[in-house]
Amino acid sequence: DSGVTQTPKHLITATGQRVTLRCSPRSGDLSVYWYQQSLDQGLQFLIQYYNGEERAKGNILERFSAQQFPDLHSELNLSSLELGDSALYFCASSGGGRAITYNEQFFGPGTRLTVL
Amino acid sequence: SQKIEQNSEALNIQEGKTATLTCNYTNYSPAYLQWYRQDPGRGPVFLLLIRENEKEKRKERLKVTFDTTLKQSLFHITASQPADSATYLCALPTSGGSYIPTFGRGTSLIVHP
Repeated sequence: DSGVTQTPKHLITATGQRVTLRCSPRSGDLSVYWYQQSLDQGLQFLIQYYNGEERAKGNILERFSAQQFPDLHSELNLSSLELGDSALYFCASSGGGRAITYNEQFFGPGTRLTVL
Repeated sequence: SQKIEQNSEALNIQEGKTATLTCNYTNYSPAYLQWYRQDPGRGPVFLLLIRENEKEKRKERLKVTFDTTLKQSLFHITASQPADSATYLCALPTSGGSYIPTFGRGTSLIVHP
């Protein structure tokens, strides 16, 4: 158990809809990262938040947004969903109180999103 | 940005043998390289980190080497067990000065009893 929790575990929705994925980081970690993993793209970095503020951005679509709340949990919002958005979405945390670290990332169990 | 190459073909070995997985990268030399294990449908689990000034790192049955001249890391599992069967991902900083890891597609290891 990594200490990172994600809900829901599975999500099935239709094209055009909007969903929210939730993540709680490991105790003491201020950084949260979001990743998308699909069969054809591998694990892709989307966005990082540190202590409530956006810190780094990767290949995140404009239809996607995220935020980190004062209690450090984070939400990833996906809107105008397309079939190609079907993937595993992982949240990871790291670094304790530091924003930048080369240390390991602790991944949650993921949310499997299926867009029909 | 960094391009990472891992063998897309599964590696099949017999229990007790040493498994060796390869991670090749292009472009700049990274400050560090990480290896993760991922089981189907589950999140990656960190295994080892090796820094650019380290040639080798060990942890129990695991050994990682880092050759910045060849732009290659090798990941070894000695005395492999069926429970070691999983996909192994290597990860490097996305670009020079970045600390965000870019992950390779991973290599599937299957250890046969």
